[in-house]
Amino acid sequence: DTGVSQDPRHKITKRGQNVTFRCDPISEHNRLYWYRQTLGQGPEFLTYFQNEAQLEKSRLLSDRFSAERPKGSFSTLEIQRTEQGDSAMYLCASSLGREKNIQYFGAGTRLSVL
Amino acid sequence: DAKTTQPPSMDCAEGRAANLPCNHSTISGNEYVYWYRQIHSQGPQYIIHGLKNNETNEMASLIITEDRKSSTLILPHATLRDTAVYYCIVYGYGQNFVFGPGTRLSVLP
Repeated sequence: DTGVSQDPRHKITKRGQNVTFRCDPISEHNRLYWYRQTLGQGPEFLTYFQNEAQLEKSRLLSDRFSAERPKGSFSTLEIQRTEQGDSAMYLCASSLGREKNIQYFGAGTRLSVL
Repeated sequence: DAKTTQPPSMDCAEGRAANLPCNHSTISGNEYVYWYRQIHSQGPQYIIHGLKNNETNEMASLIITEDRKSSTLILPHATLRDTAVYYCIVYGYGQNFVFGPGTRLSVLP
């Protein structure tokens, strides 16, 4: 399978713990995006990378959230000191970043904070 | 906020065409209309996109009105597997995708 893969698919954690999610984009894609989706809502943009550079962050991305893409390939999203409000589906997408910016999404990581 | 307005839900009989409308009255000349769908517990799946001409691919057809203020996604022969939430997105180069709540399509046997 050469699509976008995310790991883990599900994560249950206790409030106050740190969690890290991984995203492996489609290999030739230079753009990588992170979104958050809560029940009944569409995905909300969090941040995106062009190669290894993080070019934009949403105001939804609080100081407890950090994302990296160290070698311009896979990316990690870390949430520190998790809160119950962080419970959501975290989606990763990748694209070629050209004018017709078709983004291809992974299956997501569902986070439950108890 | 999303630049599009969609009905919250629609039903369609299996085997019939599903026509999903989207209003985007403030679309700019260089902005595209994209459609994605999301089947329960999966990530959004790209369906089709267009600028001003009608488009067709193996999944669907996209009809954009001449004034570009609205569009319709057509699934020509809906199956039960097409039951999903369908998102219409207006996107211009350099922008971010802004998803609204979408239309929940239920294909009924």
